[in-house]
Amino acid sequence: EDQVTQSPEALRLQEGESSSLNCSYTVSGLRGLFWYRQDPGKGPEFLFTLYSAGEEKEKERLKATLTKKESFLHITAPKPEDSATYLCAVQGGDYKLSFGAGTTVTVRA
Amino acid sequence: DSGVTQTPKHLITATGQRVTLRCSPRSGDLSVYWYQQSLDQGLQFLIQYYNGEERAKGNILERFSAQQFPDLHSELNLSSLELGDSALYFCASSPRPISGNTGELFFGEGSRLTVL
Repeated sequence: EDQVTQSPEALRLQEGESSSLNCSYTVSGLRGLFWYRQDPGKGPEFLFTLYSAGEEKEKERLKATLTKKESFLHITAPKPEDSATYLCAVQGGDYKLSFGAGTTVTVRA
Repeated sequence: DSGVTQTPKHLITATGQRVTLRCSPRSGDLSVYWYQQSLDQGLQFLIQYYNGEERAKGNILERFSAQQFPDLHSELNLSSLELGDSALYFCASSPRPISGNTGELFFGEGSRLTVL
């Protein structure tokens, strides 16, 4: 069974304090790794897809990277509006998406 | 706004009861997915439909069932409810089966079910 583990569970940052979130995975035949953002009381919102080790994607202050066993979501100079729960998901050989429990990021002004 | 509509937003009911959650996918999307999110379990995949047919099943209990109608809206039926069924239930949609998709799902805002 595919497994996704995210760390840390929670991250408190000062505005401008860069940091990274980790997503480690075990999957049979990785077809893709996905990052989503979820605001309180809302559904997850798609951010990135990564397909192969070494791939990187960027969007504003967020940068996602992928290795053979884990993915990192780097937040550079975060702002309070970056506060959210960030979810990692993997798609394995059976095409199902398996989500991690998420990292809740709080950015203080 | 993702374009996915879920009703009701909140639902409070008693153990042993039955409820139906409704989802309207984005215009043009043929795939509908149902997920359960609870505090201790994260997002758990329940079931997927594509153009009216069941395509994949996750850890969906036998007390739960779903279907996708010809107009592509979907309903998730939860019966013989237990306290542990209290959770957020999300519907998501995508244009194609996930096997032909980038994995980008569009989620609704969820239906919060509380079982007392």
